[in-house]
Amino acid sequence: GDSVTQMEGPVTLSEEAFLTINCTYTATGYPSLFWYVQYPGEGLQLLLKATKADDKGSNKGFEATYRKETTSFHLEKGSVQVSDSAVYFCALSDPGTGRRALTFGSGTRLQVQP
Amino acid sequence: NAGVTQTPKFRVLKTGQSMTLLCAQDMNHEYMYWYRQDPGMGLRLIHYSVGEGTTAKGEVPDGYNVSRLKKQNFLLGLESAAPSQTSVYFCASNGGRENTGELFFGEGSRLTVL
Repeated sequence: GDSVTQMEGPVTLSEEAFLTINCTYTATGYPSLFWYVQYPGEGLQLLLKATKADDKGSNKGFEATYRKETTSFHLEKGSVQVSDSAVYFCALSDPGTGRRALTFGSGTRLQVQP
Repeated sequence: NAGVTQTPKFRVLKTGQSMTLLCAQDMNHEYMYWYRQDPGMGLRLIHYSVGEGTTAKGEVPDGYNVSRLKKQNFLLGLESAAPSQTSVYFCASNGGRENTGELFFGEGSRLTVL
């Protein structure tokens, strides 16, 4: 079945450092790819998405490019802030099943220190 | 601007007790989902519904039942709680006319089974 693999955390960075969180996937068909963010005590929020190969999703300084050849969707940000501390989830859709559900990775906790 | 609302937010049960989690959405979405979140495992789909009066099993349905009597509500029931069901439960919905793939999440319900 479809699956998503994320780098394990926690990832600890100093403010203004460069961030990369790796995400690779296995899927049949042509899924859309997503990054969700979960701040402490809250539900998940959509951060960005890409619907087809070579698309780049971006939001709030975060970016990720849908790479079909490497089945990857790595999340990057050039300069992290303390307020970016959260858990980040990579996810893919399941087109063709009729469910419109998402399959999630295990999540990566990011801690940004001042 | 409620979106997806879950009740209760916290609950402690003894093994063998029953309970129901309620999810309500005010976005007129057709699709609704129950996920559980466990450390290191991301979110796993328990059950879902593609419209009023319908329910279907996800990846980890054992020990849970659901009902979707009204379009805006999706109930998750535990008939005989077990310690393995200690988790954080998230409800989500999807269902604009365009399938953007985005799920809208509630804030979560933390359940502890002793």
